[in-house]
Amino acid sequence: KAGVTQTPRYLIKTRGQQVTLSCSPISGHRSVSWYQQTPGQGLQFLFEYFSETQRNKGNFPGRFSGRQFSNSRSEMNVSTLELGDSALYLCASSLEPSNPSGELFFGEGSRLTVL
Amino acid sequence: AQRVTQPEKLLSVFKGAPVELKCNYSYSGSPELFWYVQYSRQRLQLLLRHISRESIKGFTADLNKGETSFHLKKPFAQEEDSAMYYCALRNTNAGKSTFGDGTTLTVKP
Repeated sequence: KAGVTQTPRYLIKTRGQQVTLSCSPISGHRSVSWYQQTPGQGLQFLFEYFSETQRNKGNFPGRFSGRQFSNSRSEMNVSTLELGDSALYLCASSLEPSNPSGELFFGEGSRLTVL
Repeated sequence: AQRVTQPEKLLSVFKGAPVELKCNYSYSGSPELFWYVQYSRQRLQLLLRHISRESIKGFTADLNKGETSFHLKKPFAQEEDSAMYYCALRNTNAGKSTFGDGTTLTVKP
């Protein structure tokens, strides 16, 4: 099975712009979560989607949004970019939220640099 | 609210020495706890989960509900264990996983 795929892998934006990141989960996985990874603050939870519905949201401003499509692929969008948004954005997929396994499968991430 | 604390950002040991990476959690329900590892230039991946009670790559972790801890241990560290380790708590009802800030382990030759 192919792993979790994230695109683009690297991107550079300037303050005020917006960005869209994409995540394709492992085939058969219906739950997708997004995390922001920074050296100073580790992994911060952004949101989680299951069956096209946002089930959980972390403590991020409304500039951060996401969605999930019927094929379980997910996108996240950040509008009005700030310097502090520079980070590695990780997507993780799992079978279902209530699955006893609970294992998250991570993508390689999209590294965003805001200048 | 669920919270995971990893008190050590950096941990350095010599090859062959025992290693313990600390993890404490705060959660009102019955926790599901995991350790994830990220080796250099690799993606984050599951190392072990408490429910399996297994040893992976010589690592073990015991859930101590009294102390709300899930420390990761290995009796004899190897250089290839050098990596970033994250402790995670999963809320099975909500499907949300909360991660600690991570501990960077360096095993010196």
